[in-house]
Amino acid sequence: NAGVTQTPKFQVLKTGQSMTLQCAQDMNHNSMYWYRQDPGMGLRLIYYSASEGTTDKGEVPNGYNVSRLNKREFSLRLESAAPSQTSVYFCASGRDRATYEQYFGPGTRLTVT
Amino acid sequence: AQKITQTQPGMFVQEKEAVTLDCTYDTSDPSYGLFWYKQPSSGEMIFLIYQGSYDQQNATEGRYSLNFQKARKSANLVISASQLGDSAMYFCAMRVDNYGQNFVFGPGTRLSVLP
Repeated sequence: NAGVTQTPKFQVLKTGQSMTLQCAQDMNHNSMYWYRQDPGMGLRLIYYSASEGTTDKGEVPNGYNVSRLNKREFSLRLESAAPSQTSVYFCASGRDRATYEQYFGPGTRLTVT
Repeated sequence: AQKITQTQPGMFVQEKEAVTLDCTYDTSDPSYGLFWYKQPSSGEMIFLIYQGSYDQQNATEGRYSLNFQKARKSANLVISASQLGDSAMYFCAMRVDNYGQNFVFGPGTRLSVLP
């Protein structure tokens, strides 16, 4: 099992460019998440998906869109990148109850110049 | 609102000694889970230990134990016999059953183990 995979690992964008971060999990989890991690801020939830076909906003959704393509895949799109979106992005998946931990992907380091 | 507080931005510990990383949480929901994750310099997030709000005993996983004091709303991580490889960022997180599917993370504590 690969667990949670993310592509790309690194990306540099110019202000105003768009891109999609891809995430896939092979653990048959219903729930999937996108976080961003900024220095000194811990992880902040951007969007999550409790099941295929549903998505909900997290703490910092502005400037992002998501798609839950199927049970395995959850993508994050930046339509018009801004320097404030320079961050490390983590995708995670997990089972549905509070008793279960999340499994994280390796992260994508995004720089917007 | 759900919130996690970690008041120690950085901690130092001598190799082979024990260290406690503090975590306090805020929720009014009776059913929740508390988690600790380790993030080494390589960047991945590694799950360490879990404590459920209804668990009577403190969780333990090898050298990690969770000192759960429900009345104080604290969930401190204790690492016994520290090793150089324990140097990393440590995040406390909470998930509430009735609060959608959200995890809430604290800002983290950077632990440095000294030889």
